Amino acid sequence: ETGVTQTPRHLVMGMTNKKSLKCEQHLGHNAMYWYKQSAKKPLELMFVYSLEERVENNSVPSRFSPECPNSSHLFLHLHTLQPEDSALYLCASSLGNTGQPQHFGDGTRLSIL
Amino acid sequence: GESVGLHLPTLSVQEGDNSIINCAYSNSASDYFIWYKQESGKGPQFIIDIRSNMDKRQGQRVTVLLNKTVKHLSLQIAATQPGDSAVYFCAEKHTGNQFYFGTGTSLTVIP
Repeated sequence: ETGVTQTPRHLVMGMTNKKSLKCEQHLGHNAMYWYKQSAKKPLELMFVYSLEERVENNSVPSRFSPECPNSSHLFLHLHTLQPEDSALYLCASSLGNTGQPQHFGDGTRLSIL
Repeated sequence: GESVGLHLPTLSVQEGDNSIINCAYSNSASDYFIWYKQESGKGPQFIIDIRSNMDKRQGQRVTVLLNKTVKHLSLQIAATQPGDSAVYFCAEKHTGNQFYFGTGTSLTVIP
């Protein structure tokens, strides 16, 4: 049990579909993150939420839409994705968002057809 | 620009030997560093961290060394075991909230 749970673990969707990724943390943390991990590339930070407010948005296309209803849950809503969006999407959480280790979930493997 | 890299993309070691994984960073303002381990099919797992006011930190079988003069970070694993086989990558944080991650070194432990 990592403390950060992501569902689903695998997702295959067409470019016109709408789906959502879910992340839940059981660590009492107050900051949550979405990362994209592509093969042979460093982790790319997508979004940061601190105390349920978005504090970072790294020029991510609008086809990715995050939502943080409370400090334990984080969603990533997906619509009209492109094949290059196929990747592992990782959620992380931390206690505070400055200089604290981030704890990751096991990710959602997303494949766009 | 930002650069967090690793000297070798792959490393093979005999079981029982010590492993050393290296990481170079380019931002002298970085003040916090983390090593992560990622096994196949899993997310990155925190191993050990170090702040810029330290040059060495030890954990269970792992040691992180920080050389700020040459902007170099290393992870030493003592008595490497088959369960240590994974991708290891470093992350650095400088002013602000964003971490920069390396691409990783794949460690293979030969029984």
